[in-house]
Amino acid sequence: DTAVSQTPKYLVTQMGNDKSIKCEQNLGHDTMYWYKQDSKKFLKIMFSYNNKELIINETVPNRFSPKSPDKAHLNLHINSLELGDSAVYFCASSRLATNEKLFFGSGTQLSVL
Amino acid sequence: GENVGLHLPTLSVQEGDNSIINCAYSNSASDYFIWYKQESGKGPQFIIDIRSNMDKRQGQRVTVLLNKTVKHLSLQIAATQPGDSAVYFCAESYAAGNKLTFGGGTRVLVKP
Repeated sequence: DTAVSQTPKYLVTQMGNDKSIKCEQNLGHDTMYWYKQDSKKFLKIMFSYNNKELIINETVPNRFSPKSPDKAHLNLHINSLELGDSAVYFCASSRLATNEKLFFGSGTQLSVL
Repeated sequence: GENVGLHLPTLSVQEGDNSIINCAYSNSASDYFIWYKQESGKGPQFIIDIRSNMDKRQGQRVTVLLNKTVKHLSLQIAATQPGDSAVYFCAESYAAGNKLTFGGGTRVLVKP
Protein backbone atom coordinates (compact mmCIF):
# COMPACT_ATOMS: atom_id res chain seq x y z
CA ASP A 1 0.00 0.00 0.00
CA THR A 2 3.02 2.29 -0.57
CA ALA A 3 1.82 5.68 -1.80
CA VAL A 4 4.72 6.45 -4.18
CA SER A 5 6.82 3.48 -5.16
CA GLN A 6 9.87 3.46 -7.36
CA THR A 7 12.07 0.63 -8.62
CA PRO A 8 14.78 -0.35 -8.42
CA LYS A 9 16.05 0.93 -5.07
CA TYR A 10 19.67 0.45 -6.12
CA LEU A 11 21.10 0.58 -9.62
CA VAL A 12 24.77 -0.03 -10.36
CA THR A 13 25.85 0.22 -13.97
CA GLN A 14 28.72 1.01 -16.30
CA MET A 15 29.28 4.30 -18.06
CA GLY A 16 27.62 4.44 -21.45
CA ASN A 17 24.76 2.11 -20.55
CA ASP A 18 21.05 2.95 -20.79
CA LYS A 19 18.85 2.42 -17.75
CA SER A 20 15.30 3.10 -16.58
CA ILE A 21 13.74 3.88 -13.23
CA LYS A 22 10.03 3.26 -12.75
CA CYS A 23 7.62 5.17 -10.54
CA GLU A 24 4.01 4.61 -9.64
CA GLN A 25 1.68 6.46 -7.28
CA ASN A 26 -1.63 5.16 -5.93
CA LEU A 27 -2.75 8.45 -4.38
CA GLY A 28 -4.86 9.55 -7.34
CA HIS A 29 -2.64 12.61 -7.79
CA ASP A 30 -2.53 14.52 -11.05
CA THR A 31 1.08 15.64 -10.92
CA MET A 32 4.31 13.68 -10.72
CA TYR A 33 7.94 14.75 -10.47
CA TRP A 34 11.50 13.57 -10.67
CA TYR A 35 14.07 15.07 -8.33
CA LYS A 36 17.81 14.45 -8.18
CA GLN A 37 19.66 14.48 -4.85
CA ASP A 38 23.42 14.83 -5.04
CA SER A 39 26.06 13.63 -2.59
CA LYS A 40 25.64 16.83 -0.55
CA LYS A 41 21.94 16.08 -0.12
CA PHE A 42 20.91 18.94 -2.38
CA LEU A 43 17.50 18.24 -3.97
CA LYS A 44 16.82 19.64 -7.41
CA ILE A 45 13.76 19.23 -9.58
CA MET A 46 14.29 17.65 -12.99
CA PHE A 47 10.83 17.19 -14.46
CA SER A 48 7.19 17.65 -13.64
CA TYR A 49 4.22 16.07 -15.41
CA ASN A 50 0.58 16.98 -14.96
CA ASN A 51 -1.91 14.49 -16.31
CA LYS A 52 0.73 12.95 -18.57
CA GLU A 53 1.86 16.32 -19.93
CA LEU A 54 5.29 17.80 -19.32
CA ILE A 55 5.06 21.08 -17.39
CA ILE A 56 8.57 21.52 -16.00
CA ASN A 57 11.85 20.58 -17.64
CA GLU A 58 14.75 22.00 -15.68
CA THR A 59 17.53 22.14 -18.30
CA VAL A 60 18.21 18.47 -17.85
CA PRO A 61 20.43 16.89 -20.54
CA ASN A 62 18.35 15.26 -23.25
CA ARG A 63 19.91 11.92 -22.29
CA PHE A 64 17.20 11.96 -19.62
CA SER A 65 13.77 11.20 -21.02
CA PRO A 66 10.72 10.95 -18.77
CA LYS A 67 7.73 8.96 -19.95
CA SER A 68 4.26 9.14 -18.47
CA PRO A 69 1.97 6.41 -19.88
CA ASP A 70 -0.81 7.50 -17.52
CA LYS A 71 -1.12 9.91 -14.65
CA ALA A 72 -0.22 7.24 -12.09
CA HIS A 73 3.14 6.45 -13.67
CA LEU A 74 6.22 8.50 -14.47
CA ASN A 75 9.27 6.58 -15.60
CA LEU A 76 12.74 7.97 -16.15
CA HIS A 77 14.96 6.65 -18.90
CA ILE A 78 18.61 7.65 -19.02
CA ASN A 79 20.77 7.10 -22.09
CA SER A 80 24.56 6.94 -22.25
CA LEU A 81 25.06 7.14 -18.50
CA GLU A 82 27.92 9.30 -17.24
CA LEU A 83 29.81 9.31 -13.95
CA GLY A 84 28.13 12.59 -12.99
CA ASP A 85 24.72 10.95 -13.17
CA SER A 86 25.49 9.09 -9.94
CA ALA A 87 22.97 10.35 -7.40
CA VAL A 88 19.75 9.42 -5.66
CA TYR A 89 16.70 9.98 -7.84
CA PHE A 90 13.36 10.62 -6.18
CA CYS A 91 9.94 10.36 -7.70
CA ALA A 92 7.18 12.43 -6.12
CA SER A 93 3.54 13.29 -6.66
CA SER A 94 1.12 15.99 -5.61
CA ARG A 95 -2.61 16.46 -5.88
CA LEU A 96 -2.36 19.63 -7.91
CA ALA A 97 0.20 21.11 -10.27
CA THR A 98 1.03 23.81 -7.76
CA ASN A 99 4.12 22.04 -6.43
CA GLU A 100 2.70 22.00 -2.93
CA LYS A 101 2.87 19.13 -0.45
CA LEU A 102 4.76 16.61 -2.51
CA PHE A 103 4.77 12.96 -1.50
CA PHE A 104 8.11 11.31 -2.23
CA GLY A 105 9.12 7.78 -3.05
CA SER A 106 11.99 6.11 -1.19
CA GLY A 107 14.55 6.89 -3.88
CA THR A 108 16.73 5.05 -6.37
CA GLN A 109 20.44 5.18 -5.70
CA LEU A 110 22.19 5.19 -9.06
CA SER A 111 25.91 4.44 -9.17
CA VAL A 112 27.69 4.80 -12.50
CA LEU A 113 31.09 3.10 -12.60
CA GLY B 1 19.32 33.32 -8.95
CA GLU B 2 16.91 33.01 -6.09
CA ASN B 3 17.73 30.33 -3.57
CA VAL B 4 16.77 28.95 -0.22
CA GLY B 5 19.48 28.28 2.33
CA LEU B 6 20.06 27.18 5.88
CA HIS B 7 22.18 28.72 8.63
CA LEU B 8 23.34 25.53 10.37
CA PRO B 9 24.35 22.42 8.51
CA THR B 10 24.41 20.23 11.66
CA LEU B 11 22.47 20.62 14.90
CA SER B 12 23.16 18.45 17.95
CA VAL B 13 20.34 18.37 20.47
CA GLN B 14 19.93 16.66 23.81
CA GLU B 15 16.94 14.32 23.96
CA GLY B 16 14.01 16.14 25.51
CA ASP B 17 15.25 19.60 24.56
CA ASN B 18 13.59 21.77 21.94
CA SER B 19 15.20 22.09 18.48
CA ILE B 20 15.14 25.09 16.22
CA ILE B 21 16.11 24.76 12.57
CA ASN B 22 16.52 27.96 10.61
CA CYS B 23 16.12 28.74 6.94
CA ALA B 24 16.71 31.93 4.97
CA TYR B 25 15.10 32.57 1.62
CA SER B 26 15.90 35.29 -0.86
CA ASN B 27 12.80 35.47 -3.06
CA SER B 28 10.43 38.00 -1.54
CA ALA B 29 7.72 36.78 -3.94
CA SER B 30 7.66 33.32 -2.34
CA ASP B 31 4.19 32.58 -1.01
CA TYR B 32 4.40 28.98 0.14
CA PHE B 33 6.90 27.27 2.42
CA ILE B 34 7.25 23.70 3.52
CA TRP B 35 9.44 21.59 5.79
CA TYR B 36 10.49 18.05 5.03
CA LYS B 37 12.27 15.42 7.13
CA GLN B 38 14.52 12.88 5.46
CA GLU B 39 15.71 9.83 7.38
CA SER B 40 18.64 7.80 6.17
CA GLY B 41 17.77 5.71 3.11
CA LYS B 42 14.29 7.20 2.78
CA GLY B 43 12.57 9.86 0.79
CA PRO B 44 11.68 13.28 2.20
CA GLN B 45 8.60 13.23 4.38
CA PHE B 46 6.20 16.16 4.76
CA ILE B 47 6.23 17.77 8.20
CA ILE B 48 4.37 21.06 7.99
CA ASP B 49 3.69 23.89 5.57
CA ILE B 50 2.74 27.54 5.78
CA ARG B 51 1.48 30.18 3.38
CA SER B 52 2.76 33.73 3.28
CA ASN B 53 -0.47 35.12 4.75
CA MET B 54 0.39 33.45 8.06
CA ASP B 55 3.33 33.90 10.40
CA LYS B 56 2.91 30.83 12.57
CA ARG B 57 1.48 27.38 12.20
CA GLN B 58 1.50 24.51 14.68
CA GLY B 59 1.41 20.77 14.24
CA GLN B 60 2.05 17.89 16.54
CA ARG B 61 5.25 18.84 18.43
CA VAL B 62 6.28 21.11 15.53
CA THR B 63 5.81 24.81 14.89
CA VAL B 64 6.77 26.73 11.78
CA LEU B 65 7.44 30.45 12.05
CA LEU B 66 7.60 32.75 9.06
CA ASN B 67 9.12 36.21 9.19
CA LYS B 68 8.56 37.83 5.82
CA THR B 69 10.29 41.05 6.83
CA VAL B 70 13.66 39.35 7.09
CA LYS B 71 12.79 36.43 4.81
CA HIS B 72 13.33 33.84 7.49
CA LEU B 73 11.64 30.53 8.20
CA SER B 74 12.15 28.29 11.20
CA LEU B 75 11.01 24.89 12.38
CA GLN B 76 10.71 24.26 16.08
CA ILE B 77 10.53 20.72 17.39
CA ALA B 78 9.37 20.36 20.97
CA ALA B 79 10.82 17.67 23.27
CA THR B 80 13.14 16.28 20.63
CA GLN B 81 13.22 12.50 20.45
CA PRO B 82 15.77 10.05 18.98
CA GLY B 83 13.36 9.46 16.10
CA ASP B 84 13.72 13.11 15.16
CA SER B 85 17.31 12.49 14.04
CA ALA B 86 17.26 13.20 10.32
CA VAL B 87 18.06 15.81 7.69
CA TYR B 88 15.52 18.62 7.55
CA PHE B 89 14.84 20.63 4.42
CA CYS B 90 12.95 23.83 3.92
CA ALA B 91 11.52 24.57 0.49
CA GLU B 92 9.68 27.45 -1.09
CA SER B 93 7.64 28.24 -4.13
CA TYR B 94 5.99 31.31 -5.58
CA ALA B 95 2.85 31.65 -7.63
CA ALA B 96 0.79 28.59 -8.41
CA GLY B 97 2.39 26.13 -10.77
CA ASN B 98 5.98 27.05 -10.05
CA LYS B 99 8.60 24.60 -8.84
CA LEU B 100 9.37 23.83 -5.23
CA THR B 101 12.95 24.96 -4.53
CA PHE B 102 14.74 23.17 -1.72
CA GLY B 103 17.36 24.47 0.66
CA GLY B 104 20.55 22.60 1.38
CA GLY B 105 19.35 20.69 4.46
CA THR B 106 20.24 20.63 8.17
CA ARG B 107 21.23 17.44 9.91
CA VAL B 108 19.74 17.05 13.39
CA LEU B 109 21.47 14.63 15.75
CA VAL B 110 19.64 13.76 18.96
CA LYS B 111 21.91 12.77 21.83
CA PRO B 112 20.47 10.39 24.44
